[in-house]
Amino acid sequence: RKEVEQDPGPFNVPEGATVAFNCTYSNSASQSFFWYRQDCRKEPKLLMSVYSSGNEDGRFTAQLNRASQYISLLIRDSKLSDSATYLCVVNRGTLDMRFGAGTRLTVKP
Amino acid sequence: GAGVSQSPRYKVAKRGQDVALRCDPISGHVSLFWYQQALGQGPEFLTYFQNEAQLDKSGLPSDRFFAERPEGSVSTLKIQRTQQEDSAVYLCASSPRTDYSYEQYFGPGTRLTVT
Repeated sequence: RKEVEQDPGPFNVPEGATVAFNCTYSNSASQSFFWYRQDCRKEPKLLMSVYSSGNEDGRFTAQLNRASQYISLLIRDSKLSDSATYLCVVNRGTLDMRFGAGTRLTVKP
Repeated sequence: GAGVSQSPRYKVAKRGQDVALRCDPISGHVSLFWYQQALGQGPEFLTYFQNEAQLDKSGLPSDRFFAERPEGSVSTLKIQRTQQEDSAVYLCASSPRTDYSYEQYFGPGTRLTVT
């Protein structure tokens, strides 16, 4: 079983829709959590860090549930430009980051 | 400012050849990471450098993989006697800090195809 699991999708949604992704992690000692975005054939880029209290950045909201060991990302009012693969990233307090396989999102007009 | 750069962007190698992949991190970044990303998967950690010191190489898949960062800036990932299963995108990332909670900045990757 992989340490970080994500639904691979693809999620196909119309513009303006709200879409949510979940990610589960297996190591309870994990300490830092992130969502990265990766466009096709491009490098991953940080979308947002995930804090215990939950955090919001514009149309994006991230939540962390330590008890159940899952992280979520909610995107409101989807734009065509949101089409990408979203990578859940977990760090156990060591120097390596564990990436999920990613969830692919396609936003259609 | 300049981001992380990697070269070559694409490399085709015959099975059994040796390859060397280069990473130029953002100037002044202390931490440097190498990842391997297979098609349809997330990046998998290979190794980590803090300045010139290789502090973690637990992700290197075999002793055919070797990485160095002799002067604490540019890094090279070398793969000896390449195999088909080595085909992947190799990503380099750097960070200005050494703590694990900080953002990593990725380069565009080197796409290696072993035929």
